[in-house]
Amino acid sequence: EAGVTQFPSHSVIEKGQTVTLRCDPISGHDNLYWYRRVMGKEIKFLLHFVKESKQDESGMPNNRFLAERTGGTYSTLKVQPAELEDSGVYFCASTRRQGGDEQFFGPGTRLTVL
Amino acid sequence: EDQVTQSPEALRLQEGESSSLNCSYTVSGLRGLFWYRQDPGKGPEFLFTLYSAGEEKEKERLKATLTKKESFLHITAPKPEDSATYLCAVQAASGGSYIPTFGRGTSLIVHP
Repeated sequence: EAGVTQFPSHSVIEKGQTVTLRCDPISGHDNLYWYRRVMGKEIKFLLHFVKESKQDESGMPNNRFLAERTGGTYSTLKVQPAELEDSGVYFCASTRRQGGDEQFFGPGTRLTVL
Repeated sequence: EDQVTQSPEALRLQEGESSSLNCSYTVSGLRGLFWYRQDPGKGPEFLFTLYSAGEEKEKERLKATLTKKESFLHITAPKPEDSATYLCAVQAASGGSYIPTFGRGTSLIVHP
């Protein structure tokens, strides 16, 4: 079984530019989560999809962040326009059922905004 | 607001030197407490879930325990390959969203 994959692994952009991160969950996992870890801080929740629907987006920092999961498979997280404080590592995780204990995490995308 | 505090921030051990990592938490009704291991450049990897005070779980050299206020991850006779960051997270029973709150982690280095 293939794990959660994320693309790109690293992204360096300038302030004001747009970046799109992609997450492919484990096949059959309806629940997909996005998290972010800013340097020196804890991993923080951004949002949760159940299939293609946004179940909880309470962690999204502002309207510069847009997440989509068309067709309930892979998900994208777009940051437009990027700001310096958006730098960090963005993780995606998936589970088969909501509330599932074991979240399977991807390797993360390290975003640097200059 | 749910909170998780992990200590120490960093820990250096000699191979074979047993120790414990601490995770203190406050949560409005605990559904589960999770331990993850994270290697550099990788995502967190699930280790254990604990649900109620008094519960213990073991995996190889690791043993996790839970009280009403904290959890310990005991590492017995560690090896260099146990070097990693260990993350603790709690999931509240209320709300229904099942979103975990993470601590900042303990960075463990085991010297040969």
